[in-house]
Amino acid sequence: RKEVEQDPGPFNVPEGATVAFNCTYSNSASQSFFWYRQDCRKEPKLLMSVYSSGNEDGRFTAQLNRASQYISLLIRDSKLSDSATYLCVVNIGGSSNTGKLIFGQGTTLQVKP
Amino acid sequence: IAGITQAPTSQILAAGRRMTLRCTQDMRHNAMYWYRQDLGLGLRLIHYSNTAGTTGKGEVPDGYSVSRANTDDFPLTLASAVPSQTSVYFCASKRTGGDEQFFGPGTRLTVL
Repeated sequence: RKEVEQDPGPFNVPEGATVAFNCTYSNSASQSFFWYRQDCRKEPKLLMSVYSSGNEDGRFTAQLNRASQYISLLIRDSKLSDSATYLCVVNIGGSSNTGKLIFGQGTTLQVKP
Repeated sequence: IAGITQAPTSQILAAGRRMTLRCTQDMRHNAMYWYRQDLGLGLRLIHYSNTAGTTGKGEVPDGYSVSRANTDDFPLTLASAVPSQTSVYFCASKRTGGDEQFFGPGTRLTVL
């Protein structure tokens, strides 16, 4: 079983739609969680951190369920510019330099006009 | 330089040749990382360095070596390239106490 699992998609949605991605992780000692965004043939960039209380950044909402070991990302009012691959990322070592990130394979989103 | 740079941008290499991928950051981050990204497998950690002078093995270290002589540079060397090392290679760095990793633009390597 992969340490971080995501549905690769692609998710094809019309502009304005709401779309949700889920991700599960296997290591119960995981300490911090993130969503990264990766555009085609580019480097990954941090989209948002994920906190136990849930957090929102504009049209994006991330939630963490430690009991069930899953993370979600909700995108409201999808824009064409949201088309990208979204990587679920888990840090199993905390914020010290020894922390290591484990990446899911990514979920691809295509927003259509 | 702003952030992390990698060189070359892309390279086609004959099997058996030696190749060094360069990575330089100007953010004075202590930790640096090398990943490879392959279709369907996501990003996998090759080697890392928590601080200048130290290195460690990641998930897929075989066939690769790294050095960390100073804070800014973290080169990745393929001593004798094989076709299975065809991939996109990303270098990343992280400041002490932070969680976010900042990535370079990547190097596309093809080994024939």
